[in-house]
Amino acid sequence: KAGVTQTPRYLIKTRGQQVTLSCSPISGHRSVSWYQQTPGQGLQFLFEYFSETQRNKGNFPGRFSGRQFSNSRSEMNVSTLELGDSALYLCASSLAGSQETQYFGPGTRLLVL
Amino acid sequence: GENVEQHPSTLSVQEGDSAVIKCTYSDSASNYFPWYKQELGKRPQLIIDIRSNVGEKKDQRIAVTLNKTAKHFSLHITETQPEDSAVYFCAASSGAGSYQLTFGKGTKLSVIP
Repeated sequence: KAGVTQTPRYLIKTRGQQVTLSCSPISGHRSVSWYQQTPGQGLQFLFEYFSETQRNKGNFPGRFSGRQFSNSRSEMNVSTLELGDSALYLCASSLAGSQETQYFGPGTRLLVL
Repeated sequence: GENVEQHPSTLSVQEGDSAVIKCTYSDSASNYFPWYKQELGKRPQLIIDIRSNVGEKKDQRIAVTLNKTAKHFSLHITETQPEDSAVYFCAASSGAGSYQLTFGKGTKLSVIP
């Protein structure tokens, strides 16, 4: 099976802009989670979707949002970008949720100038 | 919410020696504890996991132990090899109702040939 894919791989934006990142899970996986990774901070949970429903959201401002489509593909959006949003954004898919192996995508590296 | 503390943040060992990474968690309802390895520039990958009904699990040179009473779990790597050099993340999940995997901040392991 093809692995988790994310597009784009790299993005450069300026403060105030918005950005949309995409994640295609492994075929048959219905759960998609998003994480923000920054040096020294590990992976911080953004949100988790299952069958088009957000089941949990991490401690991030409302500028971070997401959605999941009927084919389990997921997008996350960050509006009004800030310098501190520069990070590697990883998505992970699993069959049903956080109690199973999470398969990570390669990530989207976002740089905000 | 769940909080996972991971120590040490960096660890250097001689090739052939053992390495131990320790994590503590705060939510007594957590019942799933995976460990992920992330090589430089690559995506995190699951290396081993343990559930709360098991005290220890081994897979070749890697083992994980869990102490539910003390709320801590550890990763043990024996006979370390240069290819074990990576960042290791522990995580915890409290299952249904949470749908969130909470990660530690990571341990950078360097194996010196």
